[in-house]
Amino acid sequence: AQSVTQLGSHVSVSEGALVLLRCNYSSSVPPYLFWYVQYPNQGLQLLLKYTTGATLVKGINGFEAEFKKSETSFHLTKPSAHMSDAAEYFCAVGYGGATNKLIFGTGTLLAVQP
Amino acid sequence: SAVISQKPSRDICQRGTSLTIQCQVDSQVTMMFWYRQQPGQSLTLIATANQGSEATYESGFVIDKFPISRPNLTFSTLTVSNMSPEDSSIYLCSVTDTGELFFGEGSRLTVL
Repeated sequence: AQSVTQLGSHVSVSEGALVLLRCNYSSSVPPYLFWYVQYPNQGLQLLLKYTTGATLVKGINGFEAEFKKSETSFHLTKPSAHMSDAAEYFCAVGYGGATNKLIFGTGTLLAVQP
Repeated sequence: SAVISQKPSRDICQRGTSLTIQCQVDSQVTMMFWYRQQPGQSLTLIATANQGSEATYESGFVIDKFPISRPNLTFSTLTVSNMSPEDSSIYLCSVTDTGELFFGEGSRLTVL
């Protein structure tokens, strides 16, 4: 069975600092992994995804994530935080190897301090 | 990318009543899904809305509580029946388009 664990329900960084949001997964099949962002009162927006190929995946808004099979991790990073990055971030794994039925983590609320 | 509209965006409902949420997509899509996001929690898949057949429900969700319609390839409804305060959640419609999953802005229900 697939599952996703996000460490840290709340993360606070200073503007310009590194953003690191942690995600670990378990999957009995090769995983498809996703990061979504949810701004207040909005739906979820796909940041990036890993399906196959290159393990370092670049997404929108300067975010990237690296699939590490040995660590069963898919942590999200951004070198320099911007105030507009304040939002909730969800890691997800494809259900049964699918890309359209997802199991989500509990989310990490990112605060960016001026 | 698919554009998804949900109605209502929010509502306050009385215990024991039912509410139907509508999801309209701007293009024909094969697969539509309904998710629930309870307060302070993550998203949970309720069901897959199949066009021309009954919806497929995930474990813990039943048709009597969450009846779903999918009359065509651009529209679906989710009804939350006989509501209780535990049903207070954001309900999100999502669709698959070009291999990617897109979400509506959600319908925030508060049950008193």
